[in-house]
Amino acid sequence: QSALTQPASVSGSPGQSITISCTGTSSDVGGYNYVSWYQQHPGKAPKLLIYDVTKRPSGVSNRFSASKSGNTASLTISGLQAEDEADYYCSSYTSSSTWVFGGGTKLTVL
Amino acid sequence: QVQLVESGGGVVQPGGSLRLSCAASGFTFTTYGMHWVRQAPGKGLEWVAFIRYDGSNKYYADSVKGRFTISRDNSKNTLYLQMNSLRAEDTAVYYCARSGRNYYDRSGSDSAFDIWGQGTMVTVSS
Repeated sequence: QSALTQPASVSGSPGQSITISCTGTSSDVGGYNYVSWYQQHPGKAPKLLIYDVTKRPSGVSNRFSASKSGNTASLTISGLQAEDEADYYCSSYTSSSTWVFGGGTKLTVL
Repeated sequence: QVQLVESGGGVVQPGGSLRLSCAASGFTFTTYGMHWVRQAPGKGLEWVAFIRYDGSNKYYADSVKGRFTISRDNSKNTLYLQMNSLRAEDTAVYYCARSGRNYYDRSGSDSAFDIWGQGTMVTVSS
């Protein structure tokens, strides 16, 4: 049950777009369309942004979008805003009937 | 409103035990699977355990298998995590989270941890 691989940090200026990658294996990310993404502000609980690879829950801004290719999933945030500064985590269901999270990515809005 | 409230955290010595609770409200608890997820200080999220809506199946991370037990009381709308043989590396904020699939109408998805509690801190230290 190794954690999915995410970049430790990314940054961007307001209005720009950034992409966070999430790399797993054929036993998790590549094997199922059960990838989700979470935003976590300091001291707060995580918030669901994306599920089933590309689906956004109601109430989540359409500035958040996601995709998957092979064993790598990606989250894109367009039109960066100051409030997007947070930690972001991916998650995937696995072939062991368990779930695994990525190590997390700290987004800095310059 | 839809809400999860954890309780039961605290300071415990290595080798000790603790039971966490997660009280659910605002939704039909009996139709959703539930997770426990933890986060060590300054670290990322780690999935801990999952229980199906009816308690029929339970799954655990290797790091807690054999030491932790997830359970639920659907008559009390409450999820539990019994933690035994605690180690320093179990120190973390423990969150309960709802699985997004509604097993009554099959809506939603198992991939979504769609509702989270505020977390309860567990510190394992002598």
